[in-house]
Amino acid sequence: GQQVMQIPQYQHVQEGEDFTTYCNSSTTLSNIQWYKQRPGGHPVFLIQLVKSGEVKKQKRLTFQFGEAKKNSSLHITATQTTDVGTYFCAGRRMDSSYKLIFGSGTRLLVRP
Amino acid sequence: DGGITQSPKYLFRKEGQNVTLSCEQNLNHDAMYWYRQDPGQGLRLIYYSQIVNDFQKGDIAEGYSVSREKKESFPLTVTSAQKNPTAFYLCATLGGSGRYSTDTQYFGPGTRLTVL
Repeated sequence: GQQVMQIPQYQHVQEGEDFTTYCNSSTTLSNIQWYKQRPGGHPVFLIQLVKSGEVKKQKRLTFQFGEAKKNSSLHITATQTTDVGTYFCAGRRMDSSYKLIFGSGTRLLVRP
Repeated sequence: DGGITQSPKYLFRKEGQNVTLSCEQNLNHDAMYWYRQDPGQGLRLIYYSQIVNDFQKGDIAEGYSVSREKKESFPLTVTSAQKNPTAFYLCATLGGSGRYSTDTQYFGPGTRLTVL
């Protein structure tokens, strides 16, 4: 079945360092979404990317959608302790299925 | 989130007992979902419902059952047939209704089920 792979599984950084997580799909996606889950919490929607090659920014967060619409990345510049959590990508298939395919997530730990 | 309520937050049950997890939403969203999350893992889809009185199996439906008698409610029953039911269960909706549906998923606070 269709899979969405996400790497790395976890990353431990010093506050102020940058962080990137990558998402790769086995098939072309209609769109890709990113969610953040704080420890003990539930996933919260961050952003959606739809167009091939699209880049969106939210303050220190930069999101990219690949040209082939099969991969995506989330980059955080100068991490802060408030960035701690697990970041999930989720892809929607081209057949407009109601189902999102979630990546396994990247857990970010930030040392103060 | 906000308009999605899951209760209880923590639930303990003995092995072999069925248990029903509640999910209520006041967002007027058509589609509702149940996901399971295990430690250090992503979200796996159990069941989803696009409209009232209709639902479809997700990737790991075995041992679970659902109903969708009202737009606002989508309860999940974890049956004794589920081999390893201890997990974090998340209910979600898909933003919007009808022609105004969006792709954004809104999650409830989740229920942590522990089977002893």
